Amino acid sequence: EAQVTQNPRYLITVTGKKLTVTCSQNMNHEYMSWYRQDPGLGLRQIYYSMNVEVTDKGDVPEGYKVSRKEKRNFPLILESPSPNQTSLYFCASSLKVKGVTQYFGPGTRLTVL
Amino acid sequence: GIQVEQSPPDLILQEGANSTLRCNFSDSVNNLQWFHQNPWGQLINLFYIPSGTKQNGRLSATTVATERYSLLYISSSQTTDSGVYFCAVEPNSGYALNFGKGTSLLVTP
Repeated sequence: EAQVTQNPRYLITVTGKKLTVTCSQNMNHEYMSWYRQDPGLGLRQIYYSMNVEVTDKGDVPEGYKVSRKEKRNFPLILESPSPNQTSLYFCASSLKVKGVTQYFGPGTRLTVL
Repeated sequence: GIQVEQSPPDLILQEGANSTLRCNFSDSVNNLQWFHQNPWGQLINLFYIPSGTKQNGRLSATTVATERYSLLYISSSQTTDSGVYFCAVEPNSGYALNFGKGTSLLVTP
């Protein structure tokens, strides 16, 4: 089944404890990105990647890192999480960069205490 | 950046009723998608529809790109249709999908 998977789906952690949210797609998509969803602010893009080893900042990149070593994987790294990074995170992918359907993962609900 | 406005913001329907959700956008776009966010938070793709009309079961969508709006029709609504419906557009410049604030739909038995 063609899909975007994220792990973990739910995570409660404490300030400063490094964590990684994984994202994987099995559709051979070139483009992948991360969004966060917050009440009143909607969905905002954190980082995106046009292909392997090509990543760039989205609208809200502060406090996050990403890497794209393989086409299928695009992990989101929080080196020192803070409470303001408590959010619902979505990974998305598409066959190419623009003008095609973007597919979203199931979401990761992160709470930073 | 491009502005995306959805209306109405909230909608309560009785099961079996029909509804129309609207999305207005402020500039030309490469991509327009409709999503349903279910009560568990998952974003479900409904339509990729930068122009024209598409139908999928009880749902259909129409985008008039020249007039910068899209409509999502839900017919014979069911309680499982409850959730938030988002319109998202991809502007000609930039790579992020710009989401509207959503229409929150509650379908009652």
